[in-house]
Amino acid sequence: GAGVSQSPSNKVTEKGKDVELRCDPISGHTALYWYRQSLGQGLEFLIYFQGNSAPDKSGLPSDRFSAERTGGSVSTLTIQRTQQEDSAVYLCASSLGLIGRSSTDTQYFGPGTRLTVL
Amino acid sequence: QQQVKQSPQSLIVQKGGISIINCAYENTAFDYFPWYQQFPGKGPALLIAIRPDVSEKKEGRFTISFNKSAKQFSLHIMDSQPGDSATYFCAARSSGGFQKLVFGTGTRLLVSP
Repeated sequence: GAGVSQSPSNKVTEKGKDVELRCDPISGHTALYWYRQSLGQGLEFLIYFQGNSAPDKSGLPSDRFSAERTGGSVSTLTIQRTQQEDSAVYLCASSLGLIGRSSTDTQYFGPGTRLTVL
Repeated sequence: QQQVKQSPQSLIVQKGGISIINCAYENTAFDYFPWYQQFPGKGPALLIAIRPDVSEKKEGRFTISFNKSAKQFSLHIMDSQPGDSATYFCAARSSGGFQKLVFGTGTRLLVSP
């Protein structure tokens, strides 16, 4: 079956421009997560959507970052006025809901979008 | 207190050897500890996971050892193979609040032929 897909796979932009990154989760998954992975670093949590609940935005690094999830499915992460320090791989993941309840209750990650800000 | 500390940052092991990656945490509310494997250009994928009510879980060549009192857990890869060369992340989930995982900083494993 189809996994989590992300687009574009690579994005090069100029400092100060806005970018939109898209995530298509696995069909039926109610939870969706965005992470940022800088070169040689771990996974930095950005935002989490669960069903119709208010998203957990506690990981967004600044007000230049925002995300929305339309119809409980596709999500878009928007970075306004991009800075060079925003360069990273942005990973999206989805899950059925409760993590760890069974072996299949885990986060499934997409391949990521590599963002380069010049 | 939400951090998971992972070591080493990188590891080189000869083919057939044992790879060991360690993680430590402070938050006693963590109740689920997965390990993820990430190959270059791919997203992380679940490798193996453990709950704190058991001290060890084994799946094939991969074993998690869990020490609840020390708040430490480790991944052991037996008979390491070049195909195991990847970045490994430990993670932990809090029993309360949102269903998000806190990840370690990752270990880059290279298994030499």
